[in-house]
Order: sequence, then C-alpha cells, then structure tokens
Amino acid sequence: DTAVSQTPKYLVTQMGNDKSIKCEQNLGHDTMYWYKQDSKKFLKIMFSYNNKELIINETVPNRFSPKSPDKAHLNLHINSLELGDSAVYFCASSQGDQGRAFFGQGTRLTVV
Amino acid sequence: GIQVEQSPPDLILQEGANSTLRCNFSDSVNNLQWFHQNPWGQLINLFYIPSGTKQNGRLSATTVATERYSLLYISSSQTTDSGVYFCAVAAYSGAGSYQLTFGKGTKLSVIP
Repeated sequence: DTAVSQTPKYLVTQMGNDKSIKCEQNLGHDTMYWYKQDSKKFLKIMFSYNNKELIINETVPNRFSPKSPDKAHLNLHINSLELGDSAVYFCASSQGDQGRAFFGQGTRLTVV
Repeated sequence: GIQVEQSPPDLILQEGANSTLRCNFSDSVNNLQWFHQNPWGQLINLFYIPSGTKQNGRLSATTVATERYSLLYISSSQTTDSGVYFCAVAAYSGAGSYQLTFGKGTKLSVIP
C-alpha cells in the first residue's frame, strides 16, 4: 500500500538513450513533483504538476519532460541521456503546493 | 531565492544521547517540513510545522517563524535514527506557486 511509488528503483543505461521513470500516488493529492538528488545529497525541484498543468519548470534541460496522464500519475521522460544526468530522482506529491509532501523511494539513474 | 541553512552538517552520537538540529531560513515561509533520509535512501516526512511545537515519540520540532528558524530534537537516540535530516521550506516562487526548497541536510550517525 505504498503511498507514492516509482519504477524502476534502479536504471542503468548508455549515453544517448531515452528512458522513462514512472510515478503513481494513491493519496488523492492534486500536486505532484520530480526532484533530483545529486551526489552531494542536495535535493532540487525539477517540475511540479497541479491538476495536470505544469506550474513550475526549473532551469532543467529540455531533454527532460514530465508527462501526466491523470492526477495520480506523473512520469519523467529523459531523451539523449548524458553522463551528468546520473543521480537519484524522486517523485513526490502533496495536497496543494503548500501541503505536506510525501516522497517515493527514488530511482537511481546511472548513465554509462 | 530563499536560503535554507542547516547545522551542524555532520553529527556523531552515542546511542542514548540527545541532539538538536537547527534550520535557519532567510525569508518568510508558508510552511516548514522536516525529513529523514534513511541509509537506504528513502525520504520520510517527519513533521509539517509552519510554527509552534510538535512531538512524535522521541522526536519533536519547534518552528519560530518570526525569527526564521526551526529546531529538531532527537532524544534517546537509536541506531535507526542514523541518516540525513533535511529541513525544507515552502516559499512563494514568483511563478504563481509555492516551491519547497531544501537545506543541505545534517548527516547523523548513531553508534552503539
């Protein structure tokens, strides 16, 4: 009964490939996010979606694109992967953009 | 943007000891949240505490919004408390929404 679940947990891929990470929440929240955690453990927001509308788009490369088929899902697509994209990506959700945030277990992406 | 500073960056405790972690922020915020990232990488929301004091078992948190700081108290620490503790604040991003900004964390190691 995981509240926020993301798949896969680990992803190893070659440079230049395209990959997706899926996220689903069963909390009934209306806002979902993607965060990136770098090798120094720093967490930075990449995107947030509220009612299927993108409301924050940080200065991330346009190779990254969030896709939300419905309120419970926010997937992350990454095109033309680069070595520097290696990191842990977290999905999260909250009720409104000021609500208590709950995180998925993270996806460790390694680009080789 | 808002700055979030946590101290100390690293902390080593003997099991059974008490500790206080501090979070300072540079501007008014709408809410403040404390997270624990366990050694397996999972981010757990400990407190949603825009102001006042809350307690949850051996953990308690106090936020003094007017003075722009929050404290996390851990009493009778256990080895399972080890991990990284993050403070995150929600502030208006200027793009029509609020954004959760994380501090760099306090890495806690509890030794038996």
